[in-house]
Amino acid sequence: AQSVTQPDIHITVSEGASLELRCNYSYGATPYLFWYVQSPGQGLQLLLKYFSGDTLVQGIKGFEAEFKRSQSSFNLRKPSVHWSDAAEYFCAVGAWNNNDMRFGAGTRLTVKP
Amino acid sequence: KAGVTQTPRYLIKTRGQQVTLSCSPISGHRSVSWYQQTPGQGLQFLFEYFSETQRNKGNFPGRFSGRQFSNSRSEMNVSTLELGDSALYLCASSLGGGRPGEAFFGQGTRLTVV
Repeated sequence: AQSVTQPDIHITVSEGASLELRCNYSYGATPYLFWYVQSPGQGLQLLLKYFSGDTLVQGIKGFEAEFKRSQSSFNLRKPSVHWSDAAEYFCAVGAWNNNDMRFGAGTRLTVKP
Repeated sequence: KAGVTQTPRYLIKTRGQQVTLSCSPISGHRSVSWYQQTPGQGLQFLFEYFSETQRNKGNFPGRFSGRQFSNSRSEMNVSTLELGDSALYLCASSLGGGRPGEAFFGQGTRLTVV
């Protein structure tokens, strides 16, 4: 079965600084990978997804992620963080013909002014 | 187009009662998945319905059940509520099909069991 690890529970960055959130997955076949963001009291919003092809994927709000099969990683990056990016970020992995997505525990991002 | 709608947004129930939550997916989406989110366990998959059939099921007791109607709307039911069932219940809709779909989440139903 697939699983996801997000090693960082909480990250604090200064506004304007770059950001990288880590995600490691475990899955025997081709993984389908996702990053979601959740603001307090809200549902999850899809930032980006990787199914195949180019290993660097672009998402909304200026986010990108790079799939590295050799490292079983799918890290999320943003060159310059805005205060509105403060939220919780979840990495998820899915499988073929299966919408049972497995989520990581989440990384809470705090943005310092 | 309209997003995923979950009702009600907030619910307070007493231990031992049962509860029904509703989810209306995005028009045209045939897959509805339910997740439970708690501070301790994070996001856990409950079950997925596709074309009125349960396609996948997570590791939850039989007190948790669901169904999907012909218009793709879905309900989940929790019977004999326990304090530990207090959580945010999220519904996600997607087109379905072989490749895991781009899932769109509702805002959730916050269930508090007292």
